Amino acid sequence: GAVVSQHPSRVICKSGTSVKIECRSLDFQATTMFWYRQFPKQSLMLMATSNEGSKATYEQGVEKDKFLINHASLTLSTLTVTSAHPEDSSFYICSARMTGYEQYFGPGTRLTVT
Amino acid sequence: QKEVEQDPGPLSVPEGAIVSLNCTYSNSAFQYFMWYRQYSRKGPELLMYTYSSGNKEDGRFTAQVDKSSKYISLFIRDSQPSDSATYLCAMRIPSSNTGKLIFGQGTTLQVKP
Repeated sequence: GAVVSQHPSRVICKSGTSVKIECRSLDFQATTMFWYRQFPKQSLMLMATSNEGSKATYEQGVEKDKFLINHASLTLSTLTVTSAHPEDSSFYICSARMTGYEQYFGPGTRLTVT
Repeated sequence: QKEVEQDPGPLSVPEGAIVSLNCTYSNSAFQYFMWYRQYSRKGPELLMYTYSSGNKEDGRFTAQVDKSSKYISLFIRDSQPSDSATYLCAMRIPSSNTGKLIFGQGTTLQVKP
């Protein structure tokens, strides 16, 4: 149980284009979903927290107009990186929680912007 | 001082060894402690979670929490090469009603055959 999927697993895009990443909880309904960014050999950096049907809460320093989050249902959240640039290249990971505080992570999406 | 401190390692041990991974934290209000395992280029996998002080065992893994010392540990018995990964501790931020977690930096473990 508690499986979270992400799609795509890898994406390469050209500078200036937008990329959408999907996060789904497959066998449970998520009260909250989280989006993280991870640089090589570093820990997870929380970008935003989202709840179904409401606006996402972004962490300080994260541009909400650049990283658009839509939480359409209790099992689906999407992150859109708008007008991507090479510095946006990173490993993006989502997580979801049920009623407890433990978070279940997706496998991650590696974004490369050329 | 970081709120959660974790030695990044790398920690290298021979197969079969007992491994001890540790985190210290500064805020005594932190609660609900978790350990995650992350293989390279993968998302973190929840290994164990516990709320209170004391020990919790699951197979070869034991999580230990000492709230009085603000110290948590993960012990791995009979370590295997497949245990080679980065281990992250995490704990709930009390002021967050959405369940935000704060993570340690992660400890890289290598178990040599």
